[in-house]
Parts: sequence; structure tokens; C-alpha cells
Amino acid sequence: SQQGEEDPQALSIQEGENATMNCSYKTSINNLQWYRQNSGRGLVHLILIRSNEREKHSGRLRVTLDTSKKSSSLLITASRAADTASYFCATAAGSYQLTFGKGTKLSVIP
Amino acid sequence: ETGVTQTPRHLVMGMTNKKSLKCEQHLGHNAMYWYKQSAKKPLELMFVYNFKEQTENNSVPSRFSPECPNSSHLFLHLHTLQPEDSALYLCASSLNRGQGQPQHFGDGTRLSIL
Repeated sequence: SQQGEEDPQALSIQEGENATMNCSYKTSINNLQWYRQNSGRGLVHLILIRSNEREKHSGRLRVTLDTSKKSSSLLITASRAADTASYFCATAAGSYQLTFGKGTKLSVIP
Repeated sequence: ETGVTQTPRHLVMGMTNKKSLKCEQHLGHNAMYWYKQSAKKPLELMFVYNFKEQTENNSVPSRFSPECPNSSHLFLHLHTLQPEDSALYLCASSLNRGQGQPQHFGDGTRLSIL
């Protein structure tokens, strides 16, 4: 069954604004990862947060994890047109497999 | 430069054809994966190889046949495919198979079945 589920399905913002995407999951996890996929390309790993971590930063990215609510959020600050892409969360739960959600499609308007 | 190269990038084939997809990684990873990405569906894991050994086959139809001759190369042999098999096929690799390590993806092969 699907583990990670992103919300919203689509998001459109102006350049310079912040973008927030959420991910909910069902079972206990070892870690949660966020990936980006540009149109016609493969997925690119952005950031990994472990189950015992609450927040992590990487450049303009900020990820939070709330294991009590089984949810994570990805914040992209000061968005750029180049951030236009689909963003996926993936959970690692016990086994080595990653389970991906359907993704959030982000459009950043110049 | 992703470190994972997939060929061809696009493939159109009839239902009776036989073709192969190729994946090559130059990252020194030991685990390789095939995924299927269809519109409006989550990424579906098809096969997993670890140190050239197949460790996972997620109920994939036998018309898809994987091959991993070494840790750097992965193939997906296709035969007698159906229209619903049209999708983007992604190859990925990770250092090893353990506990949700980050995966590095190729840019995929866009497959269209006529």
C-alpha cells in the first residue's frame, strides 16, 4: 500500500515566495527522503531526515519531521523559476525499499 | 551528470517486438533498481539487485526480464508488451541495499507501446 502521500498535488507561486509541501505516511519509518524531478528527467535526491531528527536544512531547503503525526514538510525559501519541478517524499520503513508518493507539482512563476 | 546513464532515452515498439533497456552507473554502488513511473501513480519498484543478485521481484509480469551482469550494469529485456506498459522506466542505484539509503536515478527511458 502507498506509504508517503504528498499534499498539495499541485502548487503555483510567484518567484521569491516560499513553497511548502507536506507528506504524510502510515507506518513507522527509519528515514524520510525528499526528491525532485524536473520534466523529462530522473529523480534527484534532495535531503534525508532520520526518524530521530526533527528538522534539517540544506541551502534554501528546510525539512521537518513529526513522527507523532507521521508527517513531514519541505519548505523551499525564496523560490526561483528553476525550482519548478515535481517533488516526492519517500519513506524507508524497516526494509531497504523506498516507498514513494505521487508527488507535488510545483510551478514557480517568474 | 547524474552518474547513472540510461539508454535509449525514448523507445517506441510494437507489442510483438523484443527490445532491451540499458542502465550503467559509475558511482561504485552495489545495489541497482528498476522502477516504473506512470502518470498519476506512485513510483513502482520492479526489481532490485544487490551485488549482482536479484533480491526483489515485485510481482512483475514475466514479459519484463531483468539482467545484471555486474554491479555497474543493469538491463531490462522486454518482449510481448501490452499498451499499459507504456511508461517512464527509471533505473537507480545506491551504495548498497541497506535501510533506505539515498538512491541516484538515471533520466529514464520513455517507452511507448503501439
